Amino acid sequence: EVQLVESGGGLIQPGGSLRLSCAASGFTFYNYEMNWVRQAPGKGLEWISYISSSGSTIYYADSMKGRFTISRDNAKNSLYLQMNSLRVEDTAVYHCARGIRYMDVWGKGTTVTVSS
Amino acid sequence: EIVMTQSPVTLSVSPGETATLSCRASQSVGNNLVWYQQKPGQAPRLLIHTASARATGIPARFSGGGSGTEFTLTITSLQSEDFAVYYCQQYNNWPPRGTFGQGTKVDFK
Repeated sequence: EVQLVESGGGLIQPGGSLRLSCAASGFTFYNYEMNWVRQAPGKGLEWISYISSSGSTIYYADSMKGRFTISRDNAKNSLYLQMNSLRVEDTAVYHCARGIRYMDVWGKGTTVTVSS
Repeated sequence: EIVMTQSPVTLSVSPGETATLSCRASQSVGNNLVWYQQKPGQAPRLLIHTASARATGIPARFSGGGSGTEFTLTITSLQSEDFAVYYCQQYNNWPPRGTFGQGTKVDFK
């Protein structure tokens, strides 16, 4: 079964850092591009970042540039999102998702709450 | 930035009826549009890609149409499991600048 499982979310104070992970299974991870997409409480979907299958090409949404870093370890079938200088408005469910341009497989997400 | 606008915000329908959802782009995206379904607490699920092609395993009661700036998702003979939020997403520009619509919630009438 093709599956993506996120972890690493939690409660963090403003200005703090958090590293999210996404474990992939059921498909050849190193062949696929990956993304992070988030969803604030009661809101819609917001694309955050993309990484190519080899990790050589990376894109970020403008609002995340300089604070978030996407990476992957193909040997471990894992995707990561390092989030620094977190703000209250970063509170959301963070999904990892497979694909380039659009996403055909999504994880259920991990919840990040930024609050003092 | 391409702005995607979905309407209506909420669509109330009865099981067995047909639901028609709209998605409008602020500029042409060709046929580079997808539709996702999301139920509470679940991951989004890809329904339609390339504006009108059903994704693997998606029932035939889901159909997509349109091109350019105007798109529709039609769900015929609505089933109980179809009550969810539906999002459109354009992928004409990459990396994305303004990607998802705000969603349409399909709920019980």
